[in-house]
Amino acid sequence: KAGVTQTPRYLIKTRGQQVTLSCSPISGHRSVSWYQQTPGQGLQFLFEYFSETQRNKGNFPGRFSGRQFSNSRSEMNVSTLELGDSALYLCASSAVNTEAFFGQGTRLTVV
Amino acid sequence: GEDVEQSLFLSVREGDSSVINCTYTDSSSTYLYWYKQEPGAGLQLLTYIFSNMDMKQDQRLTVLLNKKDKHLSLRIADTQTGDSAIYFCAVFYGGATNKLIFGTGTLLAVQP
Repeated sequence: KAGVTQTPRYLIKTRGQQVTLSCSPISGHRSVSWYQQTPGQGLQFLFEYFSETQRNKGNFPGRFSGRQFSNSRSEMNVSTLELGDSALYLCASSAVNTEAFFGQGTRLTVV
Repeated sequence: GEDVEQSLFLSVREGDSSVINCTYTDSSSTYLYWYKQEPGAGLQLLTYIFSNMDMKQDQRLTVLLNKKDKHLSLRIADTQTGDSAIYFCAVFYGGATNKLIFGTGTLLAVQP
């Protein structure tokens, strides 16, 4: 059974640009959550999608958005990038109310 | 609110036992997890415990849950240098919340 796949693994963008990250969950998992990990703030919850609907959202500005497709794959988008958006973005998939399995993450560097 | 705290650093000698502690504030959790993160990698699920359990053992790992004190611990027996990593506890709140709240992470350094 394939794990959670995140693409790309690494990205370098300049301030003001926008970026889209992709996450393919484990087959059969319908819940996808996104987290931002930085040295200063630790792991922070961004949002969670289930059956193409955003069920929950963390305390991030509107520049951070996401969506989920009918095959449960999810994308997150960050517009007007700032230096502080440099982080490891982790995606996790889970079946209903069970443990979350994480991908390897996308390391975003904003210069 | 939901808050999860861990000590930042733990250093042990190879072969000793390691105990990583975690405290949380909201008692309505359903599952509690331990994740391991090695440098440059994502999070690896190590083990988890249901909130109605007190203890769970899985090979070298023992999880203890004290619901009254809202305290969770992870004991690693016979700690090896390959156990060096950051360990995160995470508390899952289901229902309408449906959110996994992570602790700050504990860096475990294993000295040979």
